[in-house]
Amino acid sequence: NAGVTQTPKFRVLKTGQSMTLLCAQDMNHEYMYWYRQDPGMGLRLIHYSVGEGTTAKGEVPDGYNVSRLKKQNFLLGLESAAPSQTSVYFCASSTHHTLQETQYFGPGTRLLVL
Amino acid sequence: DAKTTQPTSMDCAEGRAANLPCNHSTISGNEYVYWYRQIHSQGPQYIIHGLKNNETNEMASLIITEDRKSSTLILPHATLRDTAVYYCIVRVTGANNLFFGTGTRLTVIP
Repeated sequence: NAGVTQTPKFRVLKTGQSMTLLCAQDMNHEYMYWYRQDPGMGLRLIHYSVGEGTTAKGEVPDGYNVSRLKKQNFLLGLESAAPSQTSVYFCASSTHHTLQETQYFGPGTRLLVL
Repeated sequence: DAKTTQPTSMDCAEGRAANLPCNHSTISGNEYVYWYRQIHSQGPQYIIHGLKNNETNEMASLIITEDRKSSTLILPHATLRDTAVYYCIVRVTGANNLFFGTGTRLTVIP
């Protein structure tokens, strides 16, 4: 049981390039989330999904797109990377249980946009 | 979600109890108190949560005041591996995200 995994661990992009971050979970969780964390700050929600085929915007969605084609995977895309998107990206998942919505986090992807 | 206030940093001697306070004076009746921690460069880790009763698990204890306006996370015997940023989060069950804030940086000193 690997929990939540993220690919890649680290990436350097040039301004304007595109990339996709992959999040995978093997806990059969319904909910999945993408957060970003800037230095010295807490996490901020980018997008989330409440089930396969569904996505919704979070607190800071601009410049990102997501897809949830399979229940176990949640992809975060940057179509045209900007230096302001330099950050650490964390994926998380949780069950649909209303009283125990503990979120389980992946190890993070460090992205540097030059 | 209700706003929380935590001290920026705290130190604790190894082997002693670490008591991390959190104020959430605007908490509503259906909002839970959650605690997560983030060890350097890792993803956040769930510790414990509660509504109004005190809670204990293998990692920590959570003490919530009777008026629910504040709480304390207790690590009974802090170790060096407990050095991390601890986040107190108040959320309504069913809310779609966790608002982490800046947390308390706990340093366990040998």
